[in-house]
Amino acid sequence: GAVVSQHPSWVICKSGTSVKIECRSLDFQATTMFWYRQFPKQSLMLMATSNEGSKATYEQGVEKDKFLINHASLTLSTLTVTSAHPEDSSFYICSARDFMSTEAFFGQGTRLTVV
Amino acid sequence: AQTVTQSQPEMSVQEAETVTLSCTYDTSESDYYLFWYKQPPSRQMILVIRQEAYKQQNATENRFSVNFQKAAKSFSLKISDSQLGDAAMYFCAYRRFLGNQFYFGTGTSLTVIP
Repeated sequence: GAVVSQHPSWVICKSGTSVKIECRSLDFQATTMFWYRQFPKQSLMLMATSNEGSKATYEQGVEKDKFLINHASLTLSTLTVTSAHPEDSSFYICSARDFMSTEAFFGQGTRLTVV
Repeated sequence: AQTVTQSQPEMSVQEAETVTLSCTYDTSESDYYLFWYKQPPSRQMILVIRQEAYKQQNATENRFSVNFQKAAKSFSLKISDSQLGDAAMYFCAYRRFLGNQFYFGTGTSLTVIP
């Protein structure tokens, strides 16, 4: 199956700093990428959907200025958490699909801890 | 908006036995896709099985099969000959035929008892 690589797997940052998470499709062109946030033992909460070359569409309640999403190429999307605070600590997951695929393929996830 | 409901937060099964996880969904669409994803302790989401709504035949993948009841909007997952490696969170998901967004249920935590 198609492979999505997410990096880093875990990151610790100081409060007030920014952190960037990368999501790459390794063997297909990801026309659409999704970013999710997952709290412990809960489902995936969609944060935003991005199509290559277009601005991301954010879900209601997600601060677009805090969670910057860039999908500049067909194989790379980035999520930047700006001015991170401890409440931003969470597990972030990306997924991707091309226009032909039925399912979405997921990255390994990133555990963000803000101290 | 589409909703996906998994009414079983936790399930357990004896190793080598069979277990069925339930999922219902709400939609006014006639064409759509349904999925079961597995999230093991590593938290990597893995596709287990998918079903196209226009196909009447239930999908099967080795030990995994679904019971798709379109009229009832029900999509259950049956795991046969359960193995320790099947222990995970299982998420049911829906996507419209021409849509991008995936709608996930709240998940069912499956424990496999040796």
